[in-house]
Amino acid sequence: AQSVTQLGSHVSVSEGALVLLRCNYSSSVPPYLFWYVQYPNQGLQLLLKYTTGATLVKGINGFEAEFKKSETSFHLTKPSAHMSDAAEYFCAVSAPGGGADGLTFGKGTHLIIQP
Amino acid sequence: KAGVTQTPRYLIKTRGQQVTLSCSPISGHRSVSWYQQTPGQGLQFLFEYFSETQRNKGNFPGRFSGRQFSNSRSEMNVSTLELGDSALYLCASSFKGTGDTIYFGEGSWLTVV
Repeated sequence: AQSVTQLGSHVSVSEGALVLLRCNYSSSVPPYLFWYVQYPNQGLQLLLKYTTGATLVKGINGFEAEFKKSETSFHLTKPSAHMSDAAEYFCAVSAPGGGADGLTFGKGTHLIIQP
Repeated sequence: KAGVTQTPRYLIKTRGQQVTLSCSPISGHRSVSWYQQTPGQGLQFLFEYFSETQRNKGNFPGRFSGRQFSNSRSEMNVSTLELGDSALYLCASSFKGTGDTIYFGEGSWLTVV
């Protein structure tokens, strides 16, 4: 079974500051890893994903994440926060090539941007 | 290219009733999966359909069911509604399924009273 832990249900940063959202996973095999963003009253939008290859993954809106197998982590970062980044962020994991459990999501981190 | 479309967006049902939610995937996508989102449990996988066959199923009671049609459109049904079924139900589509890039719809908000 897979699981995802997102540290911090709420993260607050100042506009222009570094954004760091933490995600740790548990999986018996090297998984596929995803970050999704959800704006109020909307569905989920894929920010980036890691499947194989380069461990530093760049996504949309200036976000990137690094897969660290030794730390079982896939933290999301953005060098400079913008007010429009305020949203709920979800880390997710799946077995390579899919699996019986679909995507397993973390509980989410609400990102607050202070002006 | 049109995204994943879910209908209805909002609905209110009474305990004991049943509800059917509809999902039209992105054109060309053959995999449709459904997720339930609640404040307490977060996002949970319900099931996945691929080419009209249920390929995977999450840990939900038999009251939750789904189907997929030959045009890849999908419906999910919840019978004998309970208050705890109040949630945002999200449909997602992809070409190959989990592991592939999955695109989500905006969801159907179900309130059970």
